[in-house]
Amino acid sequence: DTGVSQNPRHKITKRGQNVTFRCDPISEHNRLYWYRQTLGQGPEFLTYFQNEAQLEKSRLLSDRFSAERPKGSFSTLEIQRTEQGDSAMYLCASSLPFRLAGGRNEQFFGPGTRLTVL
Amino acid sequence: SQQGEEDPQALSIQEGENATMNCSYKTSINNLQWYRQNSGRGLVHLILIRSNEREKHSGRLRVTLDTSKKSSSLLITASRAADTASYFCATGIFQGAQKLVFGQGTRLTINP
Repeated sequence: DTGVSQNPRHKITKRGQNVTFRCDPISEHNRLYWYRQTLGQGPEFLTYFQNEAQLEKSRLLSDRFSAERPKGSFSTLEIQRTEQGDSAMYLCASSLPFRLAGGRNEQFFGPGTRLTVL
Repeated sequence: SQQGEEDPQALSIQEGENATMNCSYKTSINNLQWYRQNSGRGLVHLILIRSNEREKHSGRLRVTLDTSKKSSSLLITASRAADTASYFCATGIFQGAQKLVFGQGTRLTINP
């Protein structure tokens, strides 16, 4: 399967615990995005990487959230001291390098990690 | 905050009928994209229309874009049960991250 993969698919944790999610983008995609989606809403942008550089972070990404993409390939999203309000689907997406995308920013999404904080 | 608003929020039709969903947005865009999401799953890209295009077709999908009204529509012709899903419009803004800004979606149900 050459699509975007995310692990784990589901995570149930207790409030106050730390969790980490992983995203493996499509191999030739150097742009990687994290989004959060709550029930009945559209995805909301969290952060963006171009290769290993984190170029933009949303105000939604509080200090408890940290994302990395150390070698410009897979990425991790960690949430520290989880709160019930963090319960959501966390989606990862990737896209081609801008010069190859022809000005398009079509993004390919993974299946998401559903987080439930008890 | 969400950029766009989809209308209607929910749509239920009979198989074989056409489904039309509308999207409005607020700021200038480079392109507008439509995505489909089956329940509890990731999003699947359907079609992209650039800001200098007015209409685009892909199979049973037809998308229109009116930048003067900041609105777009998605038409699915000859609907099938498998089209049951949530449909989101997303605007592409070429500033920095080129992130997508999504609307709240239209929940489409196709009744057999």
